[in-house]
Amino acid sequence: DAGVIQSPRHEVTEMGQEVTLRCKPISGHDYLFWYRQTMMRGLELLIYFNNNVPIDDSGMPEDRFSAKMPNASFSTLKIQPSEPRDSAVYFCASSLRGPNTGELFFGEGSRLTVL
Amino acid sequence: GDSVTQMEGPVTLSEEAFLTINCTYTATGYPSLFWYVQYPGEGLQLLLKATKADDKGSNKGFEATYRKETTSFHLEKGSVQVSDSAVYFCALSDLNTGGFKTIFGAGTRLFVKA
Repeated sequence: DAGVIQSPRHEVTEMGQEVTLRCKPISGHDYLFWYRQTMMRGLELLIYFNNNVPIDDSGMPEDRFSAKMPNASFSTLKIQPSEPRDSAVYFCASSLRGPNTGELFFGEGSRLTVL
Repeated sequence: GDSVTQMEGPVTLSEEAFLTINCTYTATGYPSLFWYVQYPGEGLQLLLKATKADDKGSNKGFEATYRKETTSFHLEKGSVQVSDSAVYFCALSDLNTGGFKTIFGAGTRLFVKA
């Protein structure tokens, strides 16, 4: 079975450009999470969805960040405009029935560098 | 709010040494506790979990016991291998206070020398 698939694996862009990160969760999983990992702040939960509906976006840093889940097999995280402080590894994870009853399955991450 | 505190790394051990990585948590409810491992260039993957007090999670020679009285979930392995070199994250998830959020510790990097 395919795991969580993220694209692109690496993205280098210039400040002010729009960045779109993509995620395909494991088929049948009903929860999807976006995390950001940096050396300074560790792993931060940005937003999570249940059955394609955003449940908690309190971790989204500011209005420049937005996330959508138009269907059960696809989600995007968009940054517009991007800034150097957005440089990080962004992980998507999916879960069945939520992490209190099951594990999180992570993708390999998208490493974003904003110059 | 809920939080997880792990011992700072890096931890450097020789092959076949005994490993302990300390983890303590703060939670107002009764969380489930997890250890995840991250190998270079990869996402996190679940190593083991425990869902209630006194449960012991185990996998691949690693184990951790959910201690409610000391609010701890220390990771141990009797004999580490070079292939265990990775970053280890302690985590909790508490339906009562955190919804379906999983809160991670800062991670502890382990180096195992041959």
